[in-house]
Amino acid sequence: DGGITQSPKYLFRKEGQNVTLSCEQNLNHDAMYWYRQDPGQGLRLIYYSQIVNDFQKGDIAEGYSVSREKKESFPLTVTSAQKNPTAFYLCATKTEAGSYEQYFGPGTRLTVT
Amino acid sequence: AQSVTQPDIHITVSEGASLELRCNYSYGATPYLFWYVQSPGQGLQLLLKYFSGDTLVQGIKGFEAEFKRSQSSFNLRKPSVHWSDAAEYFCAVGPRGGADGLTFGKGTHLIIQP
Repeated sequence: DGGITQSPKYLFRKEGQNVTLSCEQNLNHDAMYWYRQDPGQGLRLIYYSQIVNDFQKGDIAEGYSVSREKKESFPLTVTSAQKNPTAFYLCATKTEAGSYEQYFGPGTRLTVT
Repeated sequence: AQSVTQPDIHITVSEGASLELRCNYSYGATPYLFWYVQSPGQGLQLLLKYFSGDTLVQGIKGFEAEFKRSQSSFNLRKPSVHWSDAAEYFCAVGPRGGADGLTFGKGTHLIIQP
């Protein structure tokens, strides 16, 4: 089955701890994205990667870090520097070059207390 | 900078009635336009997209949308809604000068009355 997997679905952390959210895809898509969703705010782009070993900051990258060591994987680390980390995080991939539609994973809800 | 406006935060429609969700965009060139739907606690599902050609596009689940360049709009329509259509709907525009993601509206929450 092709798709995008995000794990875990729910994640709880104490303030001051770093936490890594997983995103795996078997769609063979080159580009991958991380969005943050807050109530009433739509989706905001955190980071994106077009190819392995390369990634760029989106609109709200502060307090986050990513890596892209494999085409299939694009983990997001929420660091202790992120002032308001509680949110719903969505990973997405983009289809072939020249197309701009994105496909989304099921999301991870992170709660930091 | 590009932007997407969904003027209606909430819309309530009776089951079986018609639906129109509004989307206006600001974009410097010919946009690629999308509508996504999100059920509570879930990811986003692509309903339909417009790239070029016929300005009336058909999507999944009986939805359609019309691109109107003169009005910078891409409104989503459905002739008869079902209770299962209750969800959050997002309009999006791209690209952002490359493969760097989409710009999303803040969403419209659709409530279906029995």
